Amino acid sequence: GQNIDQPTEMTATEGAIVQINCTYQTSGFNGLFWYQQHAGEAPTFLSYNVLDGLEEKGRFSSFLSRSKGYSYLLLKELQMKDSASYLCAVIDSNYQLIWGAGTKLIIKP
Amino acid sequence: GAVVSQHPSWVICKSGTSVKIECRSLDFQATTMFWYRQFPKQSLMLMATSNEGSKATYEQGVEKDKFLINHASLTLSTLTVTSAHPEDSSFYICSARDLRGNEQFFGPGTRLTVL
Repeated sequence: GQNIDQPTEMTATEGAIVQINCTYQTSGFNGLFWYQQHAGEAPTFLSYNVLDGLEEKGRFSSFLSRSKGYSYLLLKELQMKDSASYLCAVIDSNYQLIWGAGTKLIIKP
Repeated sequence: GAVVSQHPSWVICKSGTSVKIECRSLDFQATTMFWYRQFPKQSLMLMATSNEGSKATYEQGVEKDKFLINHASLTLSTLTVTSAHPEDSSFYICSARDLRGNEQFFGPGTRLTVL
């Protein structure tokens, strides 16, 4: 079956760095997305990786290793507003979006 | 965990025809369902918010007469793309919020290709 695993919840301190991991087992791979979602709001796009390596965008970076079925989202200089759920999603060979359950990130002052 | 299904998974249709996509919450009741569209390598774009028993709220730029949404029960919402054209080809994703409103669960998406 197809599966995406990410931690349910993580806690970090304001100003620190946190890495949210995502592992996937899917039938084929056509890209991986990371989304941020604040409670009660629609998810917003953070990053898209289709090739191996690190994509940096401001305080957020996303890494992909296709051979390992692994990605991570790195958040630097954490701010209180970064408290949200972070969703990992993979597009499989049938162009279906396979969603992870999301990681709830709690930022403490 | 809560499961949201979509049917069909993918559909190919001719230009000018209408396509209906179903979104079901399988093991929970959803007062609110969301419909998104996603073009390749782009972010999810919210199209409309659907509340059970009332009219959907459409985002700016989304034609409500073209994208008909019906949320007839607490477990089913449908999106009908009327008079589909090739530019409507996209990934359509629904999500459902449970009664407590604490979480939002996404469906697997429906890939629409209009020839």
